[in-house]
Amino acid sequence: DVKVTQSSRYLVKRTGEKVFLECVQDMDHENMFWYRQDPGLGLRLIYFSYDVKMKEKGDIPEGYSVSREKKERFSLILESASTNQTSMYLCASGERGRNEKLFFGSGTQLSVL
Amino acid sequence: GENVEQHPSTLSVQEGDSAVIKCTYSDSASNYFPWYKQELGKRPQLIIDIRSNVGEKKDQRIAVTLNKTAKHFSLHITETQPEDSAVYFCAASLNTGGFKTIFGAGTRLFVKA
Repeated sequence: DVKVTQSSRYLVKRTGEKVFLECVQDMDHENMFWYRQDPGLGLRLIYFSYDVKMKEKGDIPEGYSVSREKKERFSLILESASTNQTSMYLCASGERGRNEKLFFGSGTQLSVL
Repeated sequence: GENVEQHPSTLSVQEGDSAVIKCTYSDSASNYFPWYKQELGKRPQLIIDIRSNVGEKKDQRIAVTLNKTAKHFSLHITETQPEDSAVYFCAASLNTGGFKTIFGAGTRLFVKA
Protein backbone atom coordinates (compact mmCIF):
# COMPACT_ATOMS: atom_id res chain seq x y z
CA ASP A 1 0.00 0.00 0.00
CA VAL A 2 1.14 3.51 -0.78
CA LYS A 3 1.90 5.47 2.32
CA VAL A 4 1.88 9.24 2.47
CA THR A 5 2.85 10.43 5.91
CA GLN A 6 2.39 13.91 7.29
CA SER A 7 4.51 14.66 10.31
CA SER A 8 1.82 16.20 12.52
CA ARG A 9 -1.91 15.60 12.83
CA TYR A 10 -2.54 18.75 14.85
CA LEU A 11 -0.39 21.85 15.14
CA VAL A 12 -0.94 25.10 17.04
CA LYS A 13 1.25 28.08 16.20
CA ARG A 14 1.31 31.79 16.94
CA THR A 15 0.94 34.60 14.44
CA GLY A 16 4.29 35.45 12.87
CA GLU A 17 5.91 32.09 13.53
CA LYS A 18 7.64 30.18 10.77
CA VAL A 19 5.89 26.85 10.27
CA PHE A 20 7.11 23.72 8.54
CA LEU A 21 4.75 20.98 7.41
CA GLU A 22 6.47 17.82 6.31
CA CYS A 23 5.26 15.11 3.96
CA VAL A 24 6.97 11.84 3.05
CA GLN A 25 5.85 9.22 0.53
CA ASP A 26 7.23 5.74 0.13
CA MET A 27 6.24 4.86 -3.45
CA ASP A 28 8.90 6.67 -5.44
CA HIS A 29 6.27 9.02 -6.92
CA GLU A 30 7.52 11.88 -9.04
CA ASN A 31 4.61 14.22 -8.29
CA MET A 32 3.77 15.70 -4.93
CA PHE A 33 1.17 18.28 -3.96
CA TRP A 34 0.05 20.48 -1.11
CA TYR A 35 -3.63 21.37 -0.76
CA ARG A 36 -5.54 23.21 1.90
CA GLN A 37 -9.07 22.16 2.74
CA ASP A 38 -11.62 24.63 4.03
CA PRO A 39 -15.38 24.07 4.46
CA GLY A 40 -17.29 25.00 1.33
CA LEU A 41 -14.12 25.63 -0.66
CA GLY A 42 -12.97 22.08 -1.30
CA LEU A 43 -9.33 21.31 -1.85
CA ARG A 44 -7.32 24.23 -3.13
CA LEU A 45 -3.90 23.65 -4.65
CA ILE A 46 -1.08 25.60 -3.00
CA TYR A 47 2.02 24.20 -4.71
CA PHE A 48 3.03 21.08 -6.55
CA SER A 49 6.28 19.49 -7.63
CA TYR A 50 6.99 17.00 -10.39
CA ASP A 51 10.65 16.45 -9.69
CA VAL A 52 13.34 17.05 -7.12
CA LYS A 53 14.07 20.76 -6.73
CA MET A 54 11.18 21.58 -9.08
CA LYS A 55 8.09 23.45 -7.92
CA GLU A 56 5.05 25.00 -9.52
CA LYS A 57 2.58 27.44 -8.02
CA GLY A 58 -0.96 26.29 -7.60
CA ASP A 59 -3.98 28.54 -7.21
CA ILE A 60 -3.22 30.00 -3.76
CA PRO A 61 0.57 30.17 -3.28
CA GLU A 62 0.65 33.52 -1.49
CA GLY A 63 2.15 33.27 1.98
CA TYR A 64 3.58 29.80 1.32
CA SER A 65 6.76 28.30 -0.06
CA VAL A 66 7.86 24.71 -0.62
CA SER A 67 10.99 22.63 -0.68
CA ARG A 68 11.70 19.36 -2.47
CA GLU A 69 15.31 18.37 -1.81
CA LYS A 70 14.63 14.64 -1.97
CA LYS A 71 12.16 12.75 -4.12
CA GLU A 72 10.25 11.29 -1.18
CA ARG A 73 9.88 14.50 0.82
CA PHE A 74 7.88 17.64 0.10
CA SER A 75 7.79 20.40 2.69
CA LEU A 76 5.34 23.28 2.97
CA ILE A 77 6.63 26.42 4.67
CA LEU A 78 4.61 29.27 6.12
CA GLU A 79 7.18 32.05 6.37
CA SER A 80 5.13 34.13 8.81
CA ALA A 81 1.96 32.39 9.89
CA SER A 82 -1.26 34.38 9.93
CA THR A 83 -4.68 33.56 11.34
CA ASN A 84 -6.17 33.18 7.85
CA GLN A 85 -3.82 30.24 7.32
CA THR A 86 -5.69 28.24 9.94
CA SER A 87 -6.83 25.24 7.91
CA MET A 88 -6.49 21.52 7.19
CA TYR A 89 -3.44 20.89 5.03
CA LEU A 90 -3.34 17.79 2.86
CA CYS A 91 -0.29 16.40 1.11
CA ALA A 92 -0.67 14.08 -1.87
CA SER A 93 1.59 12.16 -4.21
CA GLY A 94 1.14 10.54 -7.60
CA GLU A 95 2.97 8.85 -10.44
CA ARG A 96 4.04 10.68 -13.56
CA GLY A 97 2.48 9.44 -16.75
CA ARG A 98 -0.94 8.00 -17.51
CA ASN A 99 -1.87 7.11 -13.97
CA GLU A 100 -2.63 10.38 -12.28
CA LYS A 101 -4.34 8.91 -9.21
CA LEU A 102 -3.47 10.88 -6.08
CA PHE A 103 -2.68 9.33 -2.72
CA PHE A 104 -3.35 11.60 0.22
CA GLY A 105 -1.84 11.89 3.65
CA SER A 106 -4.04 12.06 6.76
CA GLY A 107 -3.78 15.83 6.92
CA THR A 108 -2.44 18.39 9.37
CA GLN A 109 -4.96 20.62 11.15
CA LEU A 110 -3.08 23.87 11.69
CA SER A 111 -4.40 26.50 14.05
CA VAL A 112 -2.72 29.90 14.03
CA LEU A 113 -3.56 31.96 17.12
CA GLY B 1 -6.96 29.57 -14.64
CA GLU B 2 -8.56 26.17 -14.39
CA ASN B 3 -11.81 26.09 -12.46
CA VAL B 4 -14.08 23.21 -11.44
CA GLU B 5 -17.62 23.86 -10.26
CA GLN B 6 -19.54 21.18 -8.39
CA HIS B 7 -23.24 20.89 -7.55
CA PRO B 8 -25.05 20.39 -5.29
CA SER B 9 -23.09 21.28 -2.18
CA THR B 10 -25.34 19.07 -0.07
CA LEU B 11 -27.44 16.09 -1.11
CA SER B 12 -29.75 14.03 1.05
CA VAL B 13 -31.29 10.80 -0.27
CA GLN B 14 -33.19 7.86 1.13
CA GLU B 15 -31.37 4.55 1.32
CA GLY B 16 -31.84 2.68 -1.95
CA ASP B 17 -32.36 5.81 -4.03
CA SER B 18 -29.88 7.14 -6.59
CA ALA B 19 -27.60 10.14 -6.12
CA VAL B 20 -26.18 12.32 -8.88
CA ILE B 21 -23.41 14.89 -8.48
CA LYS B 22 -22.49 17.19 -11.36
CA CYS B 23 -19.32 19.07 -12.23
CA THR B 24 -18.19 21.43 -14.93
CA TYR B 25 -14.63 22.39 -15.81
CA SER B 26 -13.22 25.40 -17.61
CA ASP B 27 -10.01 24.24 -19.31
CA SER B 28 -10.75 22.17 -22.41
CA ALA B 29 -7.19 20.74 -22.23
CA SER B 30 -8.08 18.78 -19.08
CA ASN B 31 -7.85 15.10 -19.87
CA TYR B 32 -8.39 13.17 -16.65
CA PHE B 33 -11.38 13.40 -14.29
CA PRO B 34 -11.19 11.57 -10.95
CA TRP B 35 -13.72 11.40 -8.14
CA TYR B 36 -12.62 11.19 -4.52
CA LYS B 37 -14.62 10.19 -1.46
CA GLN B 38 -13.75 11.58 1.95
CA GLU B 39 -15.38 10.00 4.98
CA LEU B 40 -15.54 11.98 8.17
CA GLY B 41 -12.08 12.46 9.67
CA LYS B 42 -10.36 10.48 6.95
CA ARG B 43 -8.26 11.24 3.89
CA PRO B 44 -9.78 11.54 0.41
CA GLN B 45 -9.60 8.33 -1.60
CA LEU B 46 -10.13 7.75 -5.30
CA ILE B 47 -13.35 5.88 -6.08
CA ILE B 48 -13.56 6.14 -9.86
CA ASP B 49 -11.96 8.09 -12.70
CA ILE B 50 -12.50 8.71 -16.40
CA ARG B 51 -10.27 9.92 -19.21
CA SER B 52 -11.18 12.34 -21.95
CA ASN B 53 -11.30 9.63 -24.62
CA VAL B 54 -14.09 7.75 -22.79
CA GLY B 55 -17.73 8.81 -22.39
CA GLU B 56 -18.81 6.56 -19.54
CA LYS B 57 -17.33 4.23 -16.97
CA LYS B 58 -19.02 2.00 -14.42
CA ASP B 59 -17.81 0.17 -11.33
CA GLN B 60 -20.55 -1.75 -9.51
CA ARG B 61 -22.93 0.85 -8.04
CA ILE B 62 -21.01 3.91 -9.18
CA ALA B 63 -20.68 5.32 -12.67
CA VAL B 64 -19.20 8.45 -14.18
CA THR B 65 -20.17 10.13 -17.43
CA LEU B 66 -18.23 12.75 -19.38
CA ASN B 67 -19.45 15.22 -21.98
CA LYS B 68 -16.33 16.85 -23.42
CA THR B 69 -18.24 19.22 -25.67
CA ALA B 70 -20.17 20.69 -22.77
CA LYS B 71 -17.25 20.24 -20.33
CA HIS B 72 -19.53 18.39 -17.91
CA PHE B 73 -18.98 15.22 -15.94
CA SER B 74 -21.18 13.51 -13.40
CA LEU B 75 -21.06 10.86 -10.69
CA HIS B 76 -23.99 8.47 -10.35
CA ILE B 77 -24.47 6.27 -7.30
CA THR B 78 -27.26 3.72 -7.47
CA GLU B 79 -28.90 1.80 -4.60
CA THR B 80 -27.33 4.12 -2.05
CA GLN B 81 -26.37 2.76 1.35
CA PRO B 82 -25.64 4.55 4.65
CA GLU B 83 -21.91 3.88 4.16
CA ASP B 84 -22.05 6.02 1.02
CA SER B 85 -22.50 9.04 3.31
CA ALA B 86 -19.38 11.18 2.83
CA VAL B 87 -18.05 14.22 1.02
CA TYR B 88 -17.43 13.62 -2.68
CA PHE B 89 -14.98 15.71 -4.69
CA CYS B 90 -14.75 15.87 -8.44
CA ALA B 91 -11.50 17.00 -10.04
CA ALA B 92 -10.01 17.84 -13.41
CA SER B 93 -6.40 17.13 -14.20
CA LEU B 94 -4.22 18.90 -16.72
CA ASN B 95 -0.90 17.47 -17.77
CA THR B 96 1.64 20.28 -17.75
CA GLY B 97 4.78 18.14 -17.57
CA GLY B 98 3.86 17.23 -14.12
CA PHE B 99 0.11 17.35 -13.75
CA LYS B 100 -2.13 19.79 -12.00
CA THR B 101 -5.30 18.50 -10.36
CA ILE B 102 -7.99 21.03 -9.50
CA PHE B 103 -10.86 20.02 -7.24
CA GLY B 104 -14.46 21.09 -6.98
CA ALA B 105 -15.80 22.40 -3.68
CA GLY B 106 -17.28 19.05 -2.69
CA THR B 107 -20.74 17.54 -2.16
CA ARG B 108 -21.79 16.32 1.24
CA LEU B 109 -23.99 13.27 0.68
CA PHE B 110 -26.31 12.04 3.42
CA VAL B 111 -27.95 8.66 2.95
CA LYS B 112 -30.86 8.21 5.35
CA ALA B 113 -31.61 4.71 6.52
